[in-house]
Amino acid sequence: ETGVTQSPTHLIKTRGQQVTLRCSSQSGHNTVSWYQQALGQGPQFIFQYYREEENGRGNFPPRFSGLQFPNYSSELNVNALELDDSALYLCASSSQASRGNTEAFFGQGTRLTVV
Amino acid sequence: AQSVTQLDSQVPVFEEAPVELRCNYSSSVSVYLFWYVQYPNQGLQLLLKYLSGSTLVESINGFEAEFNKSQTSFHLRKPSVHISDTAEYFCAVTRRGGNQGGKLIFGQGTELSVKP
Repeated sequence: ETGVTQSPTHLIKTRGQQVTLRCSSQSGHNTVSWYQQALGQGPQFIFQYYREEENGRGNFPPRFSGLQFPNYSSELNVNALELDDSALYLCASSSQASRGNTEAFFGQGTRLTVV
Repeated sequence: AQSVTQLDSQVPVFEEAPVELRCNYSSSVSVYLFWYVQYPNQGLQLLLKYLSGSTLVESINGFEAEFNKSQTSFHLRKPSVHISDTAEYFCAVTRRGGNQGGKLIFGQGTELSVKP
């Protein structure tokens, strides 16, 4: 059983650029959630994808967008990067059930630095 | 909406001493509760969770947490800590019910520092 993998591990971008982060979900999981963790803060929920559709969104502007593919992997895209976008971006996979919740398994994260 | 407050940003403790990391939550609906641990430059690992049943839940490495509905708390405890427990600990909640899995609301984190 493979875990959640994210790529790249580190990334440096210039303000105004666009970035794409990738996540492969754990085997058997159909849901991917993305989080932003600023330095010294707890993770903040960006959005979730389930069956290739957005399934809930946190308080993030539209320049944060995503995709989920038929194999349940996912991308996070951020346009018009700002300095405050510098953070650790975490991907979590889980399996939606008809009742109750299952735990979310996190990847190692992508450290994005905007200069 | 839900919110989580971790009452201590940093907790220094000596090895083999007991420790309690405090977590309070606020929610107008029923929630599930979690504790995650984050080691430096790594992602989050689930430590333990409360879904239903017994209000005292335990992890395999000696941590335990007790759900107190009346006080809306989910404090994490360990009777004797090790150097290897040094990490950031996050309390999190999610709404009960289908289709909510993975939508976690996190606290700000508590940095546990275990000294020899």
